[in-house]
Amino acid sequence: EPEVTQTPSHQVTQMGQEVILRCVPISNHLYFYWYRQILGQKVEFLVSFYNNEISEKSEIFDDQFSVERPDGSNFTLKIRSTKLEDSAMYFCASCFEGHYNEQFFGPGTRLTVL
Amino acid sequence: DQQVKQNSPSLSVQEGRISILNCDYTNSMFDYFLWYKKYPAEGPTFLISISSIKDKNEDGRFTVFLNKSAKHLSLHIVPSQPGDSAVYFCAASDPTGSGTYKYIFGTGTRLKVLA
Repeated sequence: EPEVTQTPSHQVTQMGQEVILRCVPISNHLYFYWYRQILGQKVEFLVSFYNNEISEKSEIFDDQFSVERPDGSNFTLKIRSTKLEDSAMYFCASCFEGHYNEQFFGPGTRLTVL
Repeated sequence: DQQVKQNSPSLSVQEGRISILNCDYTNSMFDYFLWYKKYPAEGPTFLISISSIKDKNEDGRFTVFLNKSAKHLSLHIVPSQPGDSAVYFCAASDPTGSGTYKYIFGTGTRLKVLA
């Protein structure tokens, strides 16, 4: 069964460093998403991506964040200068269409900012 | 601004009995709802969904009920099994914005099914 994969599973970084979180969505999916879950809190939407551009972003997704689909398979989230409060689980998701199809989530990357 | 709320952080149920997980929402624009299950160290896994044109959707042991007037939905699991022990998230697909239908999640309910 096809699945969304994410690497690394755990990333530890120093405050102020840049990190890139990688995702391989399910092939043939057209919509891509990043969500995050701070420990003990709910899963929050960060950004959606369709047709090689950002479709929507939340207020969390400020200038420190960027997304890219550098080739036909990878979808990346870059945090330019990490802050302590960026520590969270980051989930990538993808789906065929935006609405009446469920989004498939990856296993997540745990980001720890020291 | 909690548009999707799950007021019970945890629930314990005996194996074989019914588990009922509740979810409330505030935005009447939401027209599609989903339940996801999450095990530790894994991503959310889709369980069942319902469109607002329906009031019930059933899939095996899982049934979701939607009460639009009350802006309330519930997930019933019967019979509950120990393998159902996980965190259950209610999510609403938000049709506003750009049309990519981001999910608005509740805070989750941790279900523990006791053998």
